[in-house]
Amino acid sequence: DQQVKQNSPSLSVQEGRISILNCDYTNSMFDYFLWYKKYPAEGPTFLISISSIKDKNEDGRFTVFLNKSAKHLSLHIVPSQPGDSAVYFCAAKEGLNYGGSQGNLIFGKGTKLSVKP
Amino acid sequence: GAVVSQHPSRVICKSGTSVKIECRSLDFQATTMFWYRQFPKKSLMLMATSNEGSKATYEQGVEKDKFLINHASLTLSTLTVTSAHPEDSSFYICSAWGGQGRSYEQYFGPGTRLTVT
Repeated sequence: DQQVKQNSPSLSVQEGRISILNCDYTNSMFDYFLWYKKYPAEGPTFLISISSIKDKNEDGRFTVFLNKSAKHLSLHIVPSQPGDSAVYFCAAKEGLNYGGSQGNLIFGKGTKLSVKP
Repeated sequence: GAVVSQHPSRVICKSGTSVKIECRSLDFQATTMFWYRQFPKKSLMLMATSNEGSKATYEQGVEKDKFLINHASLTLSTLTVTSAHPEDSSFYICSAWGGQGRSYEQYFGPGTRLTVT
């Protein structure tokens, strides 16, 4: 049973437009969510996170939205750039918003984003 | 920011031999590290949680006698694939929680590509 779901395996967007990557979760105990970017043959790179006490977190071109009632979060990239082309993983954990807990992350299967020039 | 390194980045070995992969937290101490395995076009699969000074906790379906984990210090965890077989060929990634406050996140190593011939 997948606790973190990324239902779109791939997404193609034109350069300069908005990329929206979606993620759904089933475990209501999750309270900390992270987005990672991954290139082939490399480890994931942290992008942005959000705790359950917030519904939005913004960092430059990246914004994450959290809808707890719908158990849904999304990552918005504006404007999209060709260098953003990668696989994006949504991840979640329960236990603490940030700091302290050493619990593992539960990952979605990823969405491959292609940004075309 | 926090950095996690892995060594080697690539290794090719023959069936029946053992291979050791090192994971180091370079500028922070990690009482807990995680070992993931990524299959082609699949998400990251957590194999085990490595605990400093104690036995690792393995996920269901992961053979503890085949994937030996040692976390001898607060900055080093090792994964040894024993009696390797071609089906063990994969991309192995380690991670550790690091950072402070709102920038607390799970940092990933760059990964190790294992090929068993």
